[in-house]
Amino acid sequence: AQRVTQPEKLLSVFKGAPVELKCNYSYSGSPELFWYVQYSRQRLQLLLRHISRESIKGFTADLNKGETSFHLKKPFAQEEDSAMYYCALRDSSYKLIFGSGTRLLVRP
Amino acid sequence: EAGVTQFPSHSVIEKGQTVTLRCDPISGHDNLYWYRRVMGKEIKFLLHFVKESKQDESGMPNNRFLAERTGGTYSTLKVQPAELEDSGVYFCASSQAWGTQFFGPGTRLTVL
Repeated sequence: AQRVTQPEKLLSVFKGAPVELKCNYSYSGSPELFWYVQYSRQRLQLLLRHISRESIKGFTADLNKGETSFHLKKPFAQEEDSAMYYCALRDSSYKLIFGSGTRLLVRP
Repeated sequence: EAGVTQFPSHSVIEKGQTVTLRCDPISGHDNLYWYRRVMGKEIKFLLHFVKESKQDESGMPNNRFLAERTGGTYSTLKVQPAELEDSGVYFCASSQAWGTQFFGPGTRLTVL
């Protein structure tokens, strides 16, 4: 079955600390993986896609097919990173399958 | 460029009533998707239009939900009759071809 798992509902870190938001997936084909972010009172927006292999706002994510993971990392968290983060997989029919989300709280 | 818009932003109705949600995609985006997040659960796919055709409606929960996209522009999602478990946030997204899906702000539906 196709599934995306985000094991942490809440991740709380201090400003300047490293952040890792975990995401594991289950998919029989070649997955396309994304991280979406929703800041307070804003809409869901794309943060990263694994195909691009880019760094956005200091965040990176590497697809590890052996571990079926796509963890989101940032070496030094900022207060403005506080938001809800969703890992998503796009299947062959182009619909997105979301994880349950992780709320990141960056304390000053 | 205007983003995806959704109307209303919030709807409160009683069980058994009908509600119609509207989504206006980004101009030129042929692909339109509906998703929803019910309380405590993850965001789930409902259906996908390509222009006016339903490409995939495998996520529609039951026949109380009806989605249309006449003319291939805006889309409506009607819930009739609404039940308590339909409460949640309904998101619309659009994309150009098979590119990135851009999301609307969502409609919060509360069924009392």
